Parts: sequence; C-alpha cells; structure tokens
Amino acid sequence: KNEVEQSPQNLTAQEGEFITINCSYSVGISALHWLQQHPGGGIVSLFMLSSGKKKHGRLIATINIQEKHSSLHITASHPRDSAVYICAVSRLSNFGNEKLTFGTGTRLTIIP
Amino acid sequence: EAGVAQSPRYKIIEKRQSVAFWCNPISGHATLYWYQQILGQGPKLLIQFQNNGVVDDSQLPKDRFSAERLKGVDSTLKIQPAKLEDSAVYLCASSSRADTQYFGPGTRLTVL
Repeated sequence: KNEVEQSPQNLTAQEGEFITINCSYSVGISALHWLQQHPGGGIVSLFMLSSGKKKHGRLIATINIQEKHSSLHITASHPRDSAVYICAVSRLSNFGNEKLTFGTGTRLTIIP
Repeated sequence: EAGVAQSPRYKIIEKRQSVAFWCNPISGHATLYWYQQILGQGPKLLIQFQNNGVVDDSQLPKDRFSAERLKGVDSTLKIQPAKLEDSAVYLCASSSRADTQYFGPGTRLTVL
C-alpha cells in the first residue's frame, strides 16, 4: 500500500462544476502539499498545509491531521484547470532532511 | 525571479548509451533535488544536495546514475549506461528552506 493515496485517479467534469480531489496518508507528516502538473511535466506548488484550511482564488485545500486526510476543492471549474493534481507529504527522513513522498496524481479534465 | 531551468527538454537515446541532464536552480537556493517520474506515477527522489554536498542519495541507482553539484549552483545528472526502464521525466527542483520546492519543466527521456 502506498504511503500517499489519492482519489479519484481520473476525473472528468463540465465547466462550472465543483471539484473535489482527496488524499489520504498513512505516516506522520510535517506538512502536506498540493501540486499541479500540466502536460509537458512542469510542476507548480499550489498549497502547503500543516493544519486547517487555505484558500487561493478558486482553490481551497483542507487537512484533517487526526484522520490523515486532505481535500483539494476547485470552485467554478474551468477548462484551464485541466491538469494532474498531486498530493505530497513531507516528513523528516533518516538522513535528517525533509523528504517529499508523492501520490500518483489525479488527472482532471474540465469539458467546456 | 527566474525559475528553475533544465536542459534538454527532450532526449531520445538507445539502451546502453549515456545521457546527461543539466539543472540551474533559482538563484540563492541552497537545496537542489533530482526526481524521476515514470509515466503514471508520482515523482521519486533520486538525490538531494545541500549546497554542493549530498544529503540523501538513498534511492539513486549508483551503478548507473551519478550526479554532481559543483560550486553549489548548477547540477548535472548522468545515466551511464541507460536501460529501457530509465524512460521517464527527470525533474529538478530547488528550495531555499525545507518547505516549498520550485520545480523545473523536466527532461523527458525515452530509451529505445
């Protein structure tokens, strides 16, 4: 079982719909990250959370530390939101460095 | 602020050939990461540098992969000789602290 699990793996929705992507993890973490990856490979960091909720524009990220669960929400979705959304957790490794462990990503497609 | 630069963007080689990738991190970022992202998977850390020293190379296949970061700025990742299973996107990232990582556009390697 992967340490970071995302659902769904693929999501197709109509423009304007409210989108939710879920992430569960099984290890103790220092923070959780949501990242966006567009075709071509480039990755952009969206949020870093250690508790509560953060909002940036139409994106909202929440985390429940006790349940080891996080959600990424997109309100009023738009075709330009189409991308792969990756959840990652950071924790201290045996080498003393903060190390990211990534989920496999959720491929989101928004249809006009 | 210029982002993380990587070159080349794409590379196609035959198995048993050698290949090298280059990364120029964001100016002033002491920490540099190389990740391997196989299609359909999340990125996997290959090596992490702090300035020009190696912090974590526990998942680097050292029989064929090598990396260096001379002068604590640019870095190169080399594969010698390449295998079919090395086909992936190689991502470079940098950070100034142990939190937000800034990713480059990646190098897509195809081994035939």
